[in-house]
Amino acid sequence: DIQMTQSPSTLSASIGDRVTITCRASQSISSWLAWYQQKPGRAPKLLIYKASTLESGVPSRFSGSGFGTEFTLTISSLQPDDFGTYYCQQYHSYSNTFGQGTNLEI
Amino acid sequence: EEQLLESGGGLIQPGGSLRLSCAASGFTFGIYAMTWVRQAPGKGLEWVSVILNSDYRTYYADSVKGRFTISRDDSKNTLYLQMYSLRSEDTAVYYCAKHRGGSPTDFFDIWGQGTMVTVSS
Repeated sequence: DIQMTQSPSTLSASIGDRVTITCRASQSISSWLAWYQQKPGRAPKLLIYKASTLESGVPSRFSGSGFGTEFTLTISSLQPDDFGTYYCQQYHSYSNTFGQGTNLEI
Repeated sequence: EEQLLESGGGLIQPGGSLRLSCAASGFTFGIYAMTWVRQAPGKGLEWVSVILNSDYRTYYADSVKGRFTISRDDSKNTLYLQMYSLRSEDTAVYYCAKHRGGSPTDFFDIWGQGTMVTVSS
């Protein structure tokens, strides 16, 4: 199975900060990577797919980049609603592995 | 509005069986692959199983292979997960999720609210 490793595991930031979360794959997954945001007690919400395509309705302060094995999710100017846990997911193989999550505290 | 609504969770003893359902609305259920993802308390997301829309092929995580069966009834717009030989490590919130397309390798654009399964004596 393809392993996905996110860093950092926890991130504390302030409103207005630029925040970056990294996701590394154990083998190349081309651009087959998605990012999700999850808030406590809620289902995950799709933010970005194909590494850099913003899902409809997601604020433009979110952006994604990367190819192959290294990917980043960037929030350009942190807002109060951005707290939660962020997960990357590879969909290069049907096992659809997720990263372990990054807990963003504001 | 596209929606998924899970049901069927609860408290079950180790070794028991349970069937989860996921009712879809607001989209043409039959043209999309569907997946189950679970999340143990305080833990991350774990993909469980996928079923395709075209030929109903299924795939499973090693952790549930041989114990869980995914199925769908397109006439009822419903996805199922039949779980047998349940273990304490199966305790989790179970989410159903819609694929953006019909491929087993895809991201998930719609998620249900989840249903909690607790395996304990």
